[in-house]
Amino acid sequence: GNSVTQMEGPVTLSEEAFLTINCTYTATGYPSLFWYVQYPGEGLQLLLKATKADDKGSNKGFEATYRKETTSFHLEKGSVQVSDSAVYFCALSYDKVIFGPGTSLSVIP
Amino acid sequence: DTAVSQTPKYLVTQMGNDKSIKCEQNLGHDTMYWYKQDSKKFLKIMFSYNNKELIINETVPNRFSPKSPDKAHLNLHINSLELGDSAVYFCASSQGPTSGTSTDTQYFGPGTRLTVL
Repeated sequence: GNSVTQMEGPVTLSEEAFLTINCTYTATGYPSLFWYVQYPGEGLQLLLKATKADDKGSNKGFEATYRKETTSFHLEKGSVQVSDSAVYFCALSYDKVIFGPGTSLSVIP
Repeated sequence: DTAVSQTPKYLVTQMGNDKSIKCEQNLGHDTMYWYKQDSKKFLKIMFSYNNKELIINETVPNRFSPKSPDKAHLNLHINSLELGDSAVYFCASSQGPTSGTSTDTQYFGPGTRLTVL
């Protein structure tokens, strides 16, 4: 069946550090891929998405590229801020949405 | 205006009780969902409704019964609550159903934290 794997957290970074959160997937067919973010005490919200191979999604300085050959959708940001502290979920959509286990990020000043 | 709202935000109850969580969306979406998030933040879909019709029913105990009176509302009723039901329950909605390669974004409510004592 379809599945999503993410790097385990928690991840702790200093402000202005470079962020990478790895995400790989297995799917039958060609899914759409998403990154959602969950701030403390809130529901999930869309961060970015890509709907076909080689598409790059970007938002708020975050970006991720849909790599069909490596079945990956890694999330990157060049310089994180304290306000980026949250849990990040990679997800795929094909017949239903499947979320990865989430990666908790803490950014310290 | 809140796009997806849930009530209550917190729910504390005793084992064996019956409780309901309500969800409403004002986005005009056709599809609504219930998710369960455990203490490790793992998120699992429970149910999905499209235009009041059940389209996804994961392996959820039949103590959980969703009800969709109209496409803007999806309520979750839980009978005979157990300790393991303690979690955060999220309602979500999307424009269409996730059939095939759906590009639709899901919009989540703020969650209902259920604690069973």
